[in-house]
Amino acid sequence: GNSVTQMEGPVTLSEEAFLTINCTYTATGYPSLFWYVQYPGEGLQLLLKATKADDKGSNKGFEATYRKETTSFHLEKGSVQVSDSAVYFCALRPNNAGNMLTFGGGTRLMVKP
Amino acid sequence: DAGITQSPRHKVTETGTPVTLRCHQTENHRYMYWYRQDPGHGLRLIHYSYGVKDTDKGEVSDGYSVSRSKTEDFLLTLESATSSQTSVYFCAISESWDSQETQYFGPGTRLLVL
Repeated sequence: GNSVTQMEGPVTLSEEAFLTINCTYTATGYPSLFWYVQYPGEGLQLLLKATKADDKGSNKGFEATYRKETTSFHLEKGSVQVSDSAVYFCALRPNNAGNMLTFGGGTRLMVKP
Repeated sequence: DAGITQSPRHKVTETGTPVTLRCHQTENHRYMYWYRQDPGHGLRLIHYSYGVKDTDKGEVSDGYSVSRSKTEDFLLTLESATSSQTSVYFCAISESWDSQETQYFGPGTRLLVL
């Protein structure tokens, strides 16, 4: 079946540090890949997405590249801010029949001033 | 922000009682979803709807039922709540079933079953 694995966290960084949150996936076919962010007390918001191999999704300084050869979609940001503190979810959606959105377990990021 | 509201936002109930959660959208999207969020599990799909009166089961549907009598409303019912159903419940909507289509999420309902 389909699955998404991401680092558990929490990840604690100082402001302006470089961020990487790893995400790997298992799926048949060619899924679309997503990163969602959840700020405290809120629902999930789409952060970025990529729909085919080698695509790079980007938003708010965050980037992730769809790597089919390594089945990965790692999230990166060059300089994090305190306001980036949140839980980040990697997700995939297959393009075949019954294509449910499958989430990873989430990674909590804490950025300290 | 997508126009999605959930009610109630918080609820405490006792084991064995029925509970209904409501999701309301103003986007006229065809597809609606109910997820539960538990630590370490991310979000898991409970049920989804692909139109008025058209629903189907997701990954963790046991103990839950849904109804959709209008495009804008999707109800999730716990017929007899159990402590294992203590969770945060999220509603989501999407315009199509296309794998590239973004799903938009509501603010969530926190349910505690004592």
